[in-house]
Amino acid sequence: KQEVTQIPAALSVPEGENLVLNCSFTDSAIYNLQWFRQDPGKGLTSLLLIQSSQREQTSGRLNASLDKSSGRSTLYIAASQPGDSATYLCAVSPTGANSKLTFGKGITLSVRP
Amino acid sequence: DTEVTQTPKHLVMGMTNKKSLKCEQHMGHRAMYWYKQKAKKPPELMFVYSYEKLSINESVPSRFSPECPNSSLLNLHLHALQPEDSALYLCASSRGVFVGEVDTEAFFGQGTRLTVV
Repeated sequence: KQEVTQIPAALSVPEGENLVLNCSFTDSAIYNLQWFRQDPGKGLTSLLLIQSSQREQTSGRLNASLDKSSGRSTLYIAASQPGDSATYLCAVSPTGANSKLTFGKGITLSVRP
Repeated sequence: DTEVTQTPKHLVMGMTNKKSLKCEQHMGHRAMYWYKQKAKKPPELMFVYSYEKLSINESVPSRFSPECPNSSLLNLHLHALQPEDSALYLCASSRGVFVGEVDTEAFFGQGTRLTVV
């Protein structure tokens, strides 16, 4: 059974800091990995999708990497801003004829002005 | 347009009521999903529809009844719910669900906050 872990559960940083959010998964037989952002009481916003054949994806100040062999992904946020404060979840989908996402519990990020 | 629209945004219902949640997407996606999210927990998959047919039911109680009238719409019918069913219900869609599909990126709606009293 796939398990996705995100540690720490919460993180507080000063504005402007570059930071890395970690995600690990136990079964390397994944089809893709997706990073989401969730604001309190809201839905999930897709940030980046990394296909299993890719090693990284970039969007603006965000860069996500994937190392399938070690079961790890990182989300790098450059020059953090207070507006980046949210919960960040990673999710993996398995190989096979379904795309059931298995989520980590998320990292709640607070960027202090 | 990468929007998944859910209605209503908030719903309060009694344990004897019948209500429905609605989800709509116009991205041409052929896979649609219902997830349930409790406070401070990750989303949990409930149902998957692939090409308008139910492909996954994660052992969800029968008081939750999904329906996919067409490729753009997904409903979740609710009946005789319990207070512990109170949660954020999220709908999602993706282009495809089968291995070999290039793009299975999931897009989520803003959710329906359900309170059962």
